[in-house]
Amino acid sequence: DAGVIQSPRHEVTEMGQEVTLRCKPISGHNSLFWYRQTMMRGLELLIYFNNNVPIDDSGMPEDRFSAKMPNASFSTLKIQPSEPRDSAVYFCASRGDGGGEQYFGPGTRLTVT
Amino acid sequence: QKEVEQDPGPLSVPEGAIVSLNCTYSNSAFQYFMWYRQYSRKGPELLMYTYSSGNKEDGRFTAQVDKSSKYISLFIRDSQPSDSATYLCATTHSGGTASKLTFGTGTRLQVTL
Repeated sequence: DAGVIQSPRHEVTEMGQEVTLRCKPISGHNSLFWYRQTMMRGLELLIYFNNNVPIDDSGMPEDRFSAKMPNASFSTLKIQPSEPRDSAVYFCASRGDGGGEQYFGPGTRLTVT
Repeated sequence: QKEVEQDPGPLSVPEGAIVSLNCTYSNSAFQYFMWYRQYSRKGPELLMYTYSSGNKEDGRFTAQVDKSSKYISLFIRDSQPSDSATYLCATTHSGGTASKLTFGTGTRLQVTL
């Protein structure tokens, strides 16, 4: 298996622009997690899905952030409008049925200027 | 106060040294404890997974949980330069599908020749 796939790997955008991050979980996994990692705050859970349904979005910082999972093999995290403080590495992770290990993707490094 | 506290380091040790990495947590409901290793510009990967109090050993790595003091430790014996990475502790209430992880901020470890 190719593991969790994220795109793009790097994104540089200007403040106010819309940013869309994409994730393809491991085939057969039914839980998907979006995290944000910064030096100051570490790894923070933004939202997670189970069977394509959002279970907990309490970590989404503001209404500017939204996430969707239209099917079991694809999810997006959108920031609109983006701000410099959104600069971070965004990770997607997936997990199989029954809990256990989360498998992380390589991350998307976002820079908002 | 963060739910999981971890010294960010950096921690620098010579090759062959025994390394001790630690976390404290505040929520007594946490039952499952994990250590993730994250190499530079990569996603975290699971290193150790333990349930409740006690020790778990895997090769050169030993995870220790003391629920009475809410203290989590990871010991690395005979440390190698390839162990240089950031180590994140994580915990959750349950191992089930609905569970989400709470991470420490990570400790950066450098093993020198």
